[in-house]
Amino acid sequence: EPEVTQTPSHQVTQMGQEVILRCVPISNHLYFYWYRQILGQKVEFLVSFYNNEISEKSEIFDDQFSVERPDGSNFTLKIRSTKLEDSAMYFCASTTFRQGRAGNQPQHFGDGTRLSIL
Amino acid sequence: GENVEQHPSTLSVQEGDSAVIKCTYSDSASNYFPWYKQELGKGPQLIIDIRSNVGEKKDQRIAVTLNKTAKHFSLHITETQPEDSAVYFCAASGGADGLTFGKGTHLIIQP
Repeated sequence: EPEVTQTPSHQVTQMGQEVILRCVPISNHLYFYWYRQILGQKVEFLVSFYNNEISEKSEIFDDQFSVERPDGSNFTLKIRSTKLEDSAMYFCASTTFRQGRAGNQPQHFGDGTRLSIL
Repeated sequence: GENVEQHPSTLSVQEGDSAVIKCTYSDSASNYFPWYKQELGKGPQLIIDIRSNVGEKKDQRIAVTLNKTAKHFSLHITETQPEDSAVYFCAASGGADGLTFGKGTHLIIQP
């Protein structure tokens, strides 16, 4: 069964440094998402991406965050200047249709990247 | 925006018994309700979903019910097995792209 793959599985970064989290969505999927899960808390939506642009973003997704699809397979989340409170699991997800449109298709998640800010 | 509440936070059942996890949502425009299972060190895995045009959906030992009037939906797992032990999340979605998740239920299956 096709999977969403994320790298690295664990990233340790000094506060103030830039970090890039990488995702390879399922190959025929068109919509891509980033979520985060702070330890012991809910999974929270960050951003959705379609046709090489941001579709929607939450209030968490501020100016320090950016997303990009640099080639035909990768989807990245960049945090420009990391803060201690950015420590969390970051999940990438993909779907064939846009959530909230076309009947709400299932979102498939990767296993996440654990980001630790020191 | 949407708010999803999930109960209980921890549920311990004897192997072979049934488990029920309940969620409520606030936005009457929500029309898609997936359930995810998360095992340690893994991402959320979709186990079942329901859309607002049906009241119940079943897949082997797993079923989900939806009450649109009361704005609540439930996950039912029958004949629980040790491999059902995990954290289960409900979620809701309407016109927005992102899923709104509940806080999760840690299901423990006692042998």
